Amino acid sequence: QQPVQSPQAVILREGEDAVINCSSSKALYSVHWYRQKHGEAPVFLMILLKGGEQKGHDKISASFNEKKQQSSLYLTASQLSYSGTYFCGTPSPTGTASKLTFGTGTRLQVTL
Amino acid sequence: DVKVTQSSRYLVKRTGEKVFLECVQDMDHENMFWYRQDPGLGLRLIYFSYDVKMKEKGDIPEGYSVSREKKERFSLILESASTNQTSMYLCASSWGRWGVEEETQYFGPGTRLLVL
Repeated sequence: QQPVQSPQAVILREGEDAVINCSSSKALYSVHWYRQKHGEAPVFLMILLKGGEQKGHDKISASFNEKKQQSSLYLTASQLSYSGTYFCGTPSPTGTASKLTFGTGTRLQVTL
Repeated sequence: DVKVTQSSRYLVKRTGEKVFLECVQDMDHENMFWYRQDPGLGLRLIYFSYDVKMKEKGDIPEGYSVSREKKERFSLILESASTNQTSMYLCASSWGRWGVEEETQYFGPGTRLLVL
């Protein structure tokens, strides 16, 4: 099953903060985050590997709670360049390879 | 830098046509993937390949087939295109060497397919 992301869309003014959530119905051992700018390919942001571990990328950080099967992406003091669609991805080892199941995406728009 | 390229950015085809979408990666990755992206549905996996000539179905394989004759090239085939296959198609690749870090996927720019 696809992870569920919330909110589906958010509009921010430059400098404001936002949180994007990703919930899974199955046990997780890692969560991936990707960002896709308009008209471009999705680009890897970060992997969260342990419960409660936070990682950062510029002013974007994330947390991962294994017990709750959730991850959250925190965008602090947002910039225009943060605009895009954010996807979380959860690994599903198949025995032959590991694939990612992506969430439905959260569309973020940062305005002046 | 990893580079994943797709043969076309935009494609217009007619219902019933056979359509080939090509993807090439230059980093000797083991795994390659085909997704379709539709508004509100995110990225959905069609097929993936973990080695030359090896493939597995993803979540929505109906109406599609794939071919991987060489390690760097992965093709998606629509045997008889239908209007409900109008979508953005994204190819991706990953190392596939079983380390969690190596599951990172690198995406191509996408092919926007319109089936009339």
